[in-house]
Formats: sequence, structure tokens, C-alpha cells
Amino acid sequence: AQSVTQLGSHVSVSEGALVLLRCNYSSSVPPYLFWYVQYPNQGLQLLLKYTSAATLVKGINGFEAEFKKSETSFHLTKPSAHMSDAAEYFCAVRGGRGGSYIPTFGRGTSLIVHP
Amino acid sequence: DSGVTQTPKHLITATGQRVTLRCSPRSGDLSVYWYQQSLDQGLQFLIQYYNGEERAKGNILERFSAQQFPDLHSELNLSSLELGDSALYFCASSANTRDTGENTEAFFGQGTRLTVV
Repeated sequence: AQSVTQLGSHVSVSEGALVLLRCNYSSSVPPYLFWYVQYPNQGLQLLLKYTSAATLVKGINGFEAEFKKSETSFHLTKPSAHMSDAAEYFCAVRGGRGGSYIPTFGRGTSLIVHP
Repeated sequence: DSGVTQTPKHLITATGQRVTLRCSPRSGDLSVYWYQQSLDQGLQFLIQYYNGEERAKGNILERFSAQQFPDLHSELNLSSLELGDSALYFCASSANTRDTGENTEAFFGQGTRLTVV
């Protein structure tokens, strides 16, 4: 079954510092990969998605993610953190050989931004 | 605004009761997914409907059931509620069961927060 693993349930950074949230997927064939953000008391909002068109994917709010097949990774980065980036971030996978088209989510990473 | 509407936003009920959560998908989306989000379990897939038919089941309890109506809205029924059923319940929709190309993401509603007391 397809799955994603998010390393670190909490990541703490200072405002202006680099943000790096890690996600590894399991699939023998690259699936579709997504990053969602969830602000308190809200639903999940799509940040960006990988659909095999390009390995470096740019999303909203200055976030980007790079698909690395050799590492089965899809880490999320942002050069400079803002206080407004504090939220829960979810990596999700869909499709791929042997995979399901049901979106499957990681456990989430809480991003804490210090002034 | 994702275009997915869930009602009610909040629901407080007693143990043993039954509730119904409603979801209206994005216009034109045929697939509806239900998820349960709790602190200890994360975001768990419950069930999927596609154009009125059940397509996939996840970790859904027998006390829970769902359906999708001809107008494509969906309802999740939770019965014999227990304290442990307290959670955020999300509905998501997407265009097709097996999306290809660019239209592959699921769009989420704001969720219904269920509190069982």
C-alpha cells in the first residue's frame, strides 16, 4: 500500500530562517504527491503538487518542493519563514503502481515560527 | 474557498446518539471522500463515493455509514456515538476516481468538529 512518512512531528524555526519539512513516500513508480497546509480550525489547503511534469514544484506562499526519485522524497522548503507560516503541514500521496487513488496523508508536521 | 461545503461546523452530542454530517462537493466533482482527523490517529480515510456509488472503504467503523445522493452531495451518519468518536470530520472532493494529468488534487471542506459528551 502507498504511504508517506513525515519526519518530525514538530519543526521550530526563527522568522527569516529556512523552512525544511521532510516527506518520504513508498511507491515503486512515482505517484502524485501533494503538500497541504492546515491553519487552526480550518480545512486543508493545497500548497503544491507533483504530477511528473517537473521535479521542482513551486506552490503558493513562497513554498516549493523537489521530487527526488532516488531518495523517494518530496521535501517542502521555503527560503525565509514568516510568522504567518505557522500551521500544520501534511504530505499526501495518490496513485502510482500498486497504489490507490485515495489520497493518503502523513501524520503531519507542526511548523512553529519564533519571532 | 475550496468550493466544498460542510455543515454543521460544530456539533455537540451525547454518547449513544446519532448524528448526520453533510457535504456538498465542488461543482462538477464526482468523487467524495470522508476523513476523520484526531490528535492520536492523524487524518484517517473513512470512505469514498463516486457518482452515487461506494468506491472504497478505509478505517470506517460499522457504526458509521455514508451515502451520496443524485445531486452528488454526501452524508456521513455516525451512530451509537462514543467519547472516542470526538474528532474533526472532513469531506473532500475531486473530479474523478482516477484523475490523470493536472487535475489530481482533492479539495477539502472546512470540516465538522464533533464533540461527544
